[in-house]
Amino acid sequence: GENVEQHPSTLSVQEGDSAVIKCTYSDSASNYFPWYKQELGKRPQLIIDIRSNVGEKKDQRIAVTLNKTAKHFSLHITETQPEDSAVYFCAASIPGNKLVFGAGTILRVKS
Amino acid sequence: DTAVSQTPKYLVTQMGNDKSIKCEQNLGHDTMYWYKQDSKKFLKIMFSYNNKELIINETVPNRFSPKSPDKAHLNLHINSLELGDSAVYFCASSQRLGAGDEQYFGPGTRLTVT
Repeated sequence: GENVEQHPSTLSVQEGDSAVIKCTYSDSASNYFPWYKQELGKRPQLIIDIRSNVGEKKDQRIAVTLNKTAKHFSLHITETQPEDSAVYFCAASIPGNKLVFGAGTILRVKS
Repeated sequence: DTAVSQTPKYLVTQMGNDKSIKCEQNLGHDTMYWYKQDSKKFLKIMFSYNNKELIINETVPNRFSPKSPDKAHLNLHINSLELGDSAVYFCASSQRLGAGDEQYFGPGTRLTVT
């Protein structure tokens, strides 16, 4: 089955700096790659996603890149702000099947 | 309006007891899920229902029994609770299974077994 690995497990950045979180997946049939943000004590919420027919997608300060050949995808957050502090999860999905989540990255933005 | 709701929000109980968690979605989605989030924040799927039919049943002890009376509701009953069952349980829904649809999570139920 699909296996998703996520790095780093924790990331501390200074406010205004960029943050990058990387994930790799095992099943080349996976075609959907969402990123979820979970603030402390809250529910996970989708922040951006990318499908296998696209290499990059951007939404304001957030961007996601996908390299299908290498089977990895990354989340980039620019100009980080304290409210970006949260746990971020990547996930991958094979058509018709469940989402498999990475282990999560705790992002701390220091002001 | 709350899209995915769960009750209760907190549940504290003793080992050996039986408890239930309820979930409702008002998004008209076909698919609902139960996830377990342990103390290390790992999100693991437990079950998935599509139009009241069980589709995914991960390696979960049979003490856990989901029930979907209709496609808007998915409940989770847990028998003979153990210490290791302590976690946050999230219900979620999506329009379809495995079609790249956003999953909407409920607020979570924090279960503490003492």
